[in-house]
Amino acid sequence: EVQLVESGGGLVKPGDSLRLSCAAFGFTFSPYGMNWVRQAPGKGLEWVSTIGPSSGYIFYADSVKGRFTISRDNAKNVVYLEMQTLRVEDTAVYYCTREAEGMDVWGQGTMVTVS
Amino acid sequence: SHELTQPPSVSVSPGQTAKITCSGDVLTKQYAYWYQQKPGQAPILVMFKDTERPSGIPERFSGSTSGTTVTLTISGVQADDDADYFCQASAPGGSYVFGTGTKVNVL
Repeated sequence: EVQLVESGGGLVKPGDSLRLSCAAFGFTFSPYGMNWVRQAPGKGLEWVSTIGPSSGYIFYADSVKGRFTISRDNAKNVVYLEMQTLRVEDTAVYYCTREAEGMDVWGQGTMVTVS
Repeated sequence: SHELTQPPSVSVSPGQTAKITCSGDVLTKQYAYWYQQKPGQAPILVMFKDTERPSGIPERFSGSTSGTTVTLTISGVQADDDADYFCQASAPGGSYVFGTGTKVNVL
């Protein structure tokens, strides 16, 4: 079964750091671009970051640029989101998504609370 | 900034047709994608490249485009279609933008 499983969320204080992981199962990971998308409680979806198949391109939303770092390990089928200098407004469910004719596979999300 | 605007809500009776619009300048140059999200669940892709339906998505979902507006149409709405719907497109600089979201209320 094609699946993405996020982990690493939790409750942190403003200014803290956190690393999210997203493990891919059931498909060949390396050819796909991957994204992180977040959703604050009761709000809409916000794109956070994208990484290309071989990390050849990386993009960030302005709201996280300079604080978040996306990376991937194709040998382990994992994509990461390193988050530093967290702010209250970073509180959200963070989803990992596969990029293929749209975001065709989503994980179940991991909650990050900054308070 | 590049924005995609959707109506906050659309109400429809079972069996009727729901039309959800998404407007933004980027849509004249970029494809639109649509996602359905039910409470407590992750979104799922229901339309890609404006009018293409992923496998497993019912035929009652269709997409269309005209200028700066794309539309997701649900024909013969069912209770199971009660959900939030978000459009999404690429924006300059490698970024993505999501629409503001529309709650479809099946009466």
